[in-house]
Amino acid sequence: GAVVSQHPSRVICKSGTSVKIECRSLDFQATTMFWYRQFPKQSLMLMATSNEGSKATYEQGVEKDKFLINHASLTLSTLTVTSAHPEDSSFYICSARSSNRGEKLFFGSGTQLSVL
Amino acid sequence: GENVEQHPSTLSVQEGDSAVIKCTYSDSASNYFPWYKQELGKGPQLIIDIRSNVGEKKDQRIAVTLNKTAKHFSLHITETQPEDSAVYFCAASTTGNQFYFGTGTSLTVIP
Repeated sequence: GAVVSQHPSRVICKSGTSVKIECRSLDFQATTMFWYRQFPKQSLMLMATSNEGSKATYEQGVEKDKFLINHASLTLSTLTVTSAHPEDSSFYICSARSSNRGEKLFFGSGTQLSVL
Repeated sequence: GENVEQHPSTLSVQEGDSAVIKCTYSDSASNYFPWYKQELGKGPQLIIDIRSNVGEKKDQRIAVTLNKTAKHFSLHITETQPEDSAVYFCAASTTGNQFYFGTGTSLTVIP
């Protein structure tokens, strides 16, 4: 299967700081990338959809000024959690879809964010 | 929008037995149905998928069946092994649109 690389895998930060998570499609061009948040023992909650070169579309209830998404190229999307607070602690997962991979969706390995 | 329901939420089987996980969807326009396996602390991994023009697909010990009329699809794992223990998610999608996920099934294979 296709490879989606996500970094960092784990980050611990102080309250009020910003954290950037990178998501790269290593062997295909990702026309669309999705960012999810996952709480323990729960399903994937879609936060936003991003298409290369355009602004991300955020799901209802997701603060776009807090979760900044940039999809500057066909292989890279970043999620920046600005002014993180303990309630932002969660498992964040990116995924990428490419039209030349049969519209299949491939996931990164996830980032466990802990805000102290 | 689409609504995907998944059952059961937890499933325990003896090693060597079969496991079946079922999902239903609501939008008849959905045409792509992938299954993902997620191990603890990792991202979901695509294990098998099926498109709406196919009724069944098999890959070694795993198979997926689709009933478009009833709007349900199932994952079948035969000869289960301890390493099959994980959380499994089904999903439904329409070409070019977002994916809708089930709530997950925690599968435990007892040695």
